[in-house]
Amino acid sequence: DTVLTQSPALAVSPGERVSISCRASEGVNSYMHWYQQKPGQQPKLLIYKASNLASGVPARFSGSGSGTDFTLTIDPVEADDTATYFCQQSWNDPFTFGSGTKLEIK
Amino acid sequence: EVQLVESGGGLVQPGRSLKLSCAASGFTFSNYYMAWVRQAPKKGLEWVATISTSGSRTYYPDSVKGRFTISRDNAKSSLYLQMNSLKSEDTATYYCARQIAAPYWYFDFWGPGTMVTVSS
Repeated sequence: DTVLTQSPALAVSPGERVSISCRASEGVNSYMHWYQQKPGQQPKLLIYKASNLASGVPARFSGSGSGTDFTLTIDPVEADDTATYFCQQSWNDPFTFGSGTKLEIK
Repeated sequence: EVQLVESGGGLVQPGRSLKLSCAASGFTFSNYYMAWVRQAPKKGLEWVATISTSGSRTYYPDSVKGRFTISRDNAKSSLYLQMNSLKSEDTATYYCARQIAAPYWYFDFWGPGTMVTVSS
């Protein structure tokens, strides 16, 4: 299975820029997607196919990357962005998710 | 507004069965692939099953293949997950999700989830 590696946690201050990385154990083309999960809630789609913003998602969120290295960027960060962020690949079977990056806003 | 509401979770003994349901509204259910994704307590997400628009094609990872069965009733806008031979490692919150099909295969809407606990 394709393993997606994410750093466990990050802490930033409001107004700063944050980059959350996701590294795949094998190439996934550009078939990487990002989700936000706030405490006690279901995941919400942010970015699909590496860099496409999902409907209703603020333009502060952006995605980039291809192959094995991907990045979700939030600029500027707001207090409401406190959440865990997951990447998911759909190029290789089975679909797999990263373990998540917990973002803390100082 | 897209809404997905799961039900059917609960406490079940190892080796027993449980059937989850998901009621969909706010979109044309029969036009979309649907899926189940689970999340063990304090853990990450794991894809469990996907079903095509008509229900004729189903997809599973090896971890549940042969034990879980996904199905749908388009007339009722409902999705189901039959889980047999349950194990402790199946303990998780199970999310119903709308899935955008090939080539992208991402999950664009999720329900709030239903908790399944497998324990004696």
